[in-house]
Amino acid sequence: NAGVMQNPRHLVRRRGQEARLRCSPMKGHSHVYWYRQLPEEGLKFMVYLQKENIIDESGMPKERFSAEFPKEGPSILRIQQVVRGDSAAYFCASSPGAGGDYEQFFGPGTRLTVL
Amino acid sequence: DQQVKQNSPSLSVQEGRISILNCDYTNSMFDYFLWYKKYPAEGPTFLISISSIKDKNEDGRFTVFLNKSAKHLSLHIVPSQPGDSAVYFCAASWPFGKVVFGQGTRLTINP
Repeated sequence: NAGVMQNPRHLVRRRGQEARLRCSPMKGHSHVYWYRQLPEEGLKFMVYLQKENIIDESGMPKERFSAEFPKEGPSILRIQQVVRGDSAAYFCASSPGAGGDYEQFFGPGTRLTVL
Repeated sequence: DQQVKQNSPSLSVQEGRISILNCDYTNSMFDYFLWYKKYPAEGPTFLISISSIKDKNEDGRFTVFLNKSAKHLSLHIVPSQPGDSAVYFCAASWPFGKVVFGQGTRLTINP
């Protein structure tokens, strides 16, 4: 059973471009979470999705950021018109259920650098 | 609003001794508390968790203690080994919902 896959591992964008980060959850997991880690900081929750539904997006910036988890295919975190402050490591995690009694399995992360 | 706080950004412990990592939280609605371990350039990996109805959970060298009245939990690692050197994140989960992470504590085990 493959773990959580994220691609690309490294992404470089110029200011104003779009960044698309992909996450394939573990087989059988229908719950996906996105986190952002800024340099020298902890993991910040961004969004929690189930198949085709956004459950909690309270950590997502209101503008330029969006996330989806379609019925088929990976979850996508999309950042439009990137700015330097978006440079960070973005981690995706998946679980078979919701809540703390279900372990979240993390992917290796995508490191976004905005020039 | 930092709901989960790890006030020590770093900790250095001698190999073989006990490592104690601390975490404080503010919201009594959290129902599970978790510890994750992270190596550089990798995603966090789950270490151990505890339900809010318990005060202790043990798994091998790792023990987590929960003090609900003080809204405090701690992770004990004994004996500490060089491979334990990593960043440790404390986390708390809402019932059937998101998980909130602390800022992390970098643990260094010295030979």
